[in-house]
Parts: sequence; structure tokens; C-alpha cells
Amino acid sequence: DVKVTQSSRYLVKRTGEKVFLECVQDMDHENMFWYRQDPGLGLRLIYFSYDVKMKEKGDIPEGYSVSREKKERFSLILESASTNQTSMYLCASRDRVVYGYTFGSGTRLTVV
Amino acid sequence: DQQVKQNSPSLSVQEGRISILNCDYTNSMFDYFLWYKKYPAEGPTFLISISSIKDKNEDGRFTVFLNKSAKHLSLHIVPSQPGDSAVYFCAASRYSGGGADGLTFGKGTHLIIQP
Repeated sequence: DVKVTQSSRYLVKRTGEKVFLECVQDMDHENMFWYRQDPGLGLRLIYFSYDVKMKEKGDIPEGYSVSREKKERFSLILESASTNQTSMYLCASRDRVVYGYTFGSGTRLTVV
Repeated sequence: DQQVKQNSPSLSVQEGRISILNCDYTNSMFDYFLWYKKYPAEGPTFLISISSIKDKNEDGRFTVFLNKSAKHLSLHIVPSQPGDSAVYFCAASRYSGGGADGLTFGKGTHLIIQP
């Protein structure tokens, strides 16, 4: 089975801090995604990547950046954390078929 | 502009009965639709999908129906079981093949199965 691992389940950071959320997948998938989930808003796409060093903005990229230096790793960066970035962050990877998404368990980030 | 809509934030169904979760979409470019199930503190897990060339797909207790003219799909769970209690997300994609485009999700419906 494909495994998508997010390095932290819970994270508490201070306003203004630079925050790194790490995601690793073990099935050689080309496509990787970062979503955030908020109550009443569902899952919203922040950024995605279809290859090493390639990245595309999703629906809500403001305040975020990403890095994909290796195929298996996709990092989400909050340049200067703000309280409105308190959320559940979900990483996913996908093989060549559209139903082949696999999600990680999520990182619940609280910015205080 | 919300392209995938789940208008029922929650739904309560008695165990053994049928659960029907609804989803509407506005973007006619969507050609593949998926349902995900999510428990608290876990990532969403894939449940069932349907291509726009079909109007029905069945997998055990789960059936998804697609009405393209109405831009509407529904997920039927029968019979409903306590373990089905979760949040269900409807999702849509513009590429049924190898496109890298991310999924567009609805806001989710919290299904509660009553004993």
C-alpha cells in the first residue's frame, strides 16, 4: 500500500515564525498536493507539484510556498505564520489515475 | 465561487436504512467524480468514483449515481452501519487521465448512523 507520511501530527507555532511541514511518499508518485481542511470549508488546494522542482499554485496559495527537491518529498512552508493559518494540513500523492490519491494523516497546526 | 457543493452539513440515518448523500457541481469541465470518507484526526480515504461517461458505479454497499444534465451526483449506502459515521467529501477532477490537476472538494457532509 502507498504510504504518505506527514512528519508531525500536532504543531504549535508562534505568529511570525517560519514553519515547515514535511510530507514523504514511498511509491514513486509524480504528483503531490497540499490541502488545508477547515470546518465548514472542506478541503482547499494550496499547492501541487507534478515533478521534482516543479510547482503550481492551487486555489489558496497566499502566505505559503512549497519545495520539491526530491521526488518523494514535498514540503509546505509558511513564510511568516499567522493565526488564520491555524488549520489541519493534508498532504496527498497520486499515481497516474485520478482516483489514485492517497492522503497522509494530517498535521494540525495551531498558530498562537 | 464554489464549484462543488454539498448542501447538507449533516445527515442522521438509522442503522440498517439507506443513507443518501448529495453533491452538485457547476463546472461542466469536470469529468471524474470521487467520494472520500474521513474520520477525525485521519486523512481522507478513497471510497468510490465515477467517470462522466457512466451514470452508475457500484461497490458493495456503496453506489454512486451521476446525472450529468443536472450536474448532480449522489452516494447511496445500504444498509448503513455504525462504522459509516464519518464526514463524506464529494470531489471532482477535470482530468480522468494523467493530468496533475488537484481535486476540487465540497465542504463535506457529516453522516451520523443512529443505532
